[in-house]
Amino acid sequence: DAGITQSPRHKVTETGTPVTLRCHQTENHRYMYWYRQDPGHGLRLIHYSYGVKDTDKGEVSDGYSVSRSKTEDFLLTLESATSSQTSVYFCAINSDRSNEKLFFGSGTQLSVL
Amino acid sequence: SQQGEEDPQALSIQEGENATMNCSYKTSINNLQWYRQNSGRGLVHLILIRSNEREKHSGRLRVTLDTSKKSSSLLITASRAADTASYFCATDDSRGGSNYKLTFGKGTLLTVNP
Repeated sequence: DAGITQSPRHKVTETGTPVTLRCHQTENHRYMYWYRQDPGHGLRLIHYSYGVKDTDKGEVSDGYSVSRSKTEDFLLTLESATSSQTSVYFCAINSDRSNEKLFFGSGTQLSVL
Repeated sequence: SQQGEEDPQALSIQEGENATMNCSYKTSINNLQWYRQNSGRGLVHLILIRSNEREKHSGRLRVTLDTSKKSSSLLITASRAADTASYFCATDDSRGGSNYKLTFGKGTLLTVNP
């Protein structure tokens, strides 16, 4: 799917444990994004990156951290997972030169028990 | 808070009918985009309309934008069962010099019955 891979695809974890989700792109795009999708809320931006080591918060960033040490990888970490973080997480990248439309990964279904 | 709000939340039609979905937003925008999401998949970009455009077509899709009312509509003509999906509007309200990001609405679930 146009060079964007999310891993894992599914994860079940326990409350209080750390979790890291990975987004990998082969397109060399500058912008990468993490969204979460929940029923009744649509997609909400968690964090995004506009370059290596350059990141910023979205509207629902509490409880999440990110890192981007190289262009192709954008990691989302839940330092201490809570049940409210049960969600589907999507990574997205800019897909064309005008840097406007986003291309999405297939998502990670995370369940925190 | 979310920028875009789609209406209706759910829409069920028969194959061959037209489907219209609406999106309202709150602040001024640079562009507005529509995405489709099939069940269990990521979102796929459909069409983009800029703030200085009023209407745009792509195949069976027609998008309109009314910046005075802060609203947009997506029309799918001659719908097919394969059009069954959730549809989201997304807005770019980034200001000059700020980084690019999109804000999504909650989506409209379209069901096209054979």
